[in-house]
Amino acid sequence: DQQVKQNSPSLSVQEGRISILNCDYTNSMFDYFLWYKKYPAEGPTFLISISSIKDKNEDGRFTVFLNKSAKHLSLHIVPSQPGDSAVYFCAASPSGSARQLTFGSGTQLTVLP
Amino acid sequence: GAGVSQSPSNKVTEKGKDVELRCDPISGHTALYWYRQSLGQGLEFLIYFQGNSAPDKSGLPSDRFSAERTGGSVSTLTIQRTQQEDSAVYLCASSLFGGVDTGELFFGEGSRLTVL
Repeated sequence: DQQVKQNSPSLSVQEGRISILNCDYTNSMFDYFLWYKKYPAEGPTFLISISSIKDKNEDGRFTVFLNKSAKHLSLHIVPSQPGDSAVYFCAASPSGSARQLTFGSGTQLTVLP
Repeated sequence: GAGVSQSPSNKVTEKGKDVELRCDPISGHTALYWYRQSLGQGLEFLIYFQGNSAPDKSGLPSDRFSAERTGGSVSTLTIQRTQQEDSAVYLCASSLFGGVDTGELFFGEGSRLTVL
């Protein structure tokens, strides 16, 4: 039973356009959400997070939106750059406990020059 | 280095052999995690160490898997009598305390295990 789902295994966008990566979750106890980025042959690196008390968090070109009623979050990257090409993992946890982080299966983003 | 270090980066072994994977966390980080990523899957939690507390082993898939953390620093993940389904990338991460609200886990580059 996948509690965190990333239904799009891949996404291609043109440089300069917006990239939207989606993530759905089923566990209503999740109240902290993170996005990680992973380049080939490297470990995932933290990108941005959001607490359930917010519905939006922005950091430069990256914005995460949270829709609690729909149990859905999305990561927007604008403008997209070729260096953004990577696998993006959505993760969620209850009560801010890193021990209980649950990851999605990832979305491969390719930004075309 | 300043980051999480894992070794070996690649390991090819025969079914039935034992393997050891090593993780050297960021100095001063009290929490250490092992995850694995099988092909096309997300990161699967395996085990968690926090300071001197008993480790949380609830993610270990079978009793062939074990891990230890010596001196609160370096950790070794051991897989006995490896099976083909153990083939995956094994990722180690550390964090300063263990709460995700401080930001994030710091991951190593992973150890890719292939069981023939």
